[in-house]
Amino acid sequence: QKEVEQNSGPLSVPEGAIASLNCTYSDRGSQSFFWYRQYSGKSPELIMFIYSNGDKEDGRFTAQLNKASQYVSLLIRDSQPSDSATYLCAVKAGGTSYGKLTFGQGTILTVHP
Amino acid sequence: DAGVIQSPRHEVTEMGQEVTLRCKPISGHDYLFWYRQTMMRGLELLIYFNNNVPIDDSGMPEDRFSAKMPNASFSTLKIQPSEPRDSAVYFCASSARGGLTEAFFGQGTRLTVV
Repeated sequence: QKEVEQNSGPLSVPEGAIASLNCTYSDRGSQSFFWYRQYSGKSPELIMFIYSNGDKEDGRFTAQLNKASQYVSLLIRDSQPSDSATYLCAVKAGGTSYGKLTFGQGTILTVHP
Repeated sequence: DAGVIQSPRHEVTEMGQEVTLRCKPISGHDYLFWYRQTMMRGLELLIYFNNNVPIDDSGMPEDRFSAKMPNASFSTLKIQPSEPRDSAVYFCASSARGGLTEAFFGQGTRLTVV
């Protein structure tokens, strides 16, 4: 089992719709969770992070965390063509692997006008 | 701050040659990560350092790969000898200490081994 798994997609949504991206992780001791966005040919850049169960909202983005289910998601409301990118879920380990940051495969999102 | 700086940005080398990738982390960051990205395998963690000490190198694919961090402001990833399957984008990232701190990425080095 991979440490961090994402649906590779691609995911295609119309402009203005909600895009839903999902991620599961295997280590129950994981302490924090990150969503990065990566445009083609560029480096990953942070969108937001979450560490407590529940929802965290930042503008059009909402991250959701369910530690019991070992599940993290990212919702993008009012999707724009500029949101078209690869979205990477990352998990930071705790315990003996404290600080280790592992990424999922990434989900390719396309927002079409 | 200039961010994480990697060099070179592009490297084309022949199979069998030694390749050295360089990284300067953000000043004050305690953690440094080396990742490799390919279409097939995504962003793989190769090795990470804490306070210049290698903590986990289980992602290093083979003995041909080695990484060092001689001081807090410099790290290298070396491949010797290089093979065509090593062709990928290699990213260096750094983060401050703490569970909620994000990792900042360098621009990456696109390596092509012919």
